[in-house]
Amino acid sequence: GESVGLHLPTLSVQEGDNSIINCAYSNSASDYFIWYKQESGKGPQFIIDIRSNMDKRQGQRVTVLLNKTVKHLSLQIAATQPGDSAVYFCAENWGSTGRRALTFGSGTRLQVQP
Amino acid sequence: NAGVTQTPKFQVLKTGQSMTLQCAQDMNHNSMYWYRQDPGMGLRLIYYSASEGTTDKGEVPNGYNVSRLNKREFSLRLESAAPSQTSVYFCASRVSQGADTEAFFGQGTRLTVV
Repeated sequence: GESVGLHLPTLSVQEGDNSIINCAYSNSASDYFIWYKQESGKGPQFIIDIRSNMDKRQGQRVTVLLNKTVKHLSLQIAATQPGDSAVYFCAENWGSTGRRALTFGSGTRLQVQP
Repeated sequence: NAGVTQTPKFQVLKTGQSMTLQCAQDMNHNSMYWYRQDPGMGLRLIYYSASEGTTDKGEVPNGYNVSRLNKREFSLRLESAAPSQTSVYFCASRVSQGADTEAFFGQGTRLTVV
């Protein structure tokens, strides 16, 4: 099947700066997307999601943008903090009716420099 | 509220041995998933169960079997472990495969096959 991929494997930012993590997806039938954060030794944790009928969704310090024309997803983190250091994954929901599942990209490691 | 619980947390197997990874969720979710995560990689879907009584292959099912024991429990079995199955295994659950909702993850089982 088609898969989700990421442009940048590692992103290093200064504390207080804004971070942008990108994701390219290839399955045009995907209609729901999630960003997850994974800290070392832990399972992925939900950050924010977006449906394909939306272009933008905002949460607390995070914003997800969806561009269906170029099949691109991004996660923006405002005022990045040391606690944001982790690996970030985008995931897309795909599959046949009654058999849908989330598939993940390879991840981007975010390093926040104090 | 425990969420998704996986056992064991760590396991070392010899090549050819068999074992079963256990997963249970207490959120009354219909859908459950097994993923593996290799070092520096994203999560790859092994098997999933969209609803009690159904199981389907994911991206990397070879060498594994699953059982949806009941609505709460979804186990993953390695019949004859191989070094290539050394990985961290994550179980996840969702309200249902058709709903645009997040998947909740367990803390993972770190498996080493020697």
